[in-house]
Amino acid sequence: AQKITQTQPGMFVQEKEAVTLDCTYDTSDPSYGLFWYKQPSSGEMIFLIYQGSYDQQNATEGRYSLNFQKARKSANLVISASQLGDSAMYFCAMSPHSGGGADGLTFGKGTHLIIQP
Amino acid sequence: DGGITQSPKYLFRKEGQNVTLSCEQNLNHDAMYWYRQDPGQGLRLIYYSQIVNDFQKGDIAEGYSVSREKKESFPLTVTSAQKNPTAFYLCASSVWDSENTEAFFGQGTRLTVV
Repeated sequence: AQKITQTQPGMFVQEKEAVTLDCTYDTSDPSYGLFWYKQPSSGEMIFLIYQGSYDQQNATEGRYSLNFQKARKSANLVISASQLGDSAMYFCAMSPHSGGGADGLTFGKGTHLIIQP
Repeated sequence: DGGITQSPKYLFRKEGQNVTLSCEQNLNHDAMYWYRQDPGQGLRLIYYSQIVNDFQKGDIAEGYSVSREKKESFPLTVTSAQKNPTAFYLCASSVWDSENTEAFFGQGTRLTVV
């Protein structure tokens, strides 16, 4: 069974500061994928970034980067230069094999990020 | 404009009634999923389907049923056997391809039992 742990229920950050959202995972699968999603108050889930377990380099997408430490089983999301529009719930998730998660994703409980002006 | 459409956005149901949530996608994705989200919680997988006329139970399938008669459609029925149906329901789809890494989500349906 897979498990995702997000230990920060909520965070307050000043605008323009960098933010690190923590995510640790547990799985016995040799191959897996790790995802981060953003959920604004409207409810839709917005894909941010993906890291495959065999990817050698950390994934980056614009202001988002994923700090992947395989030995520690951690996949922290880093948001550089935070903006007011970054205020939302953030979810870490994993799939049982690298790819689109066709067997479904396992989600953490999320971190509520609030950016203060 | 490709995407996933869930309807309705808000749904009210009396206790003891079955209700069906709609999910349609025009992304030509093979796999579709239903998740449930309770307040302050992450998403939990109810059912998923990797191909037409086939579907699998997720972690919390009890009290729910699905069908997959068409590639584009994956409706979810919340039956009267579901003891706590009030929740936010999200449908998603993806391509089962190692090069494609993303699941696309609909806008969600908020179900309330009155």
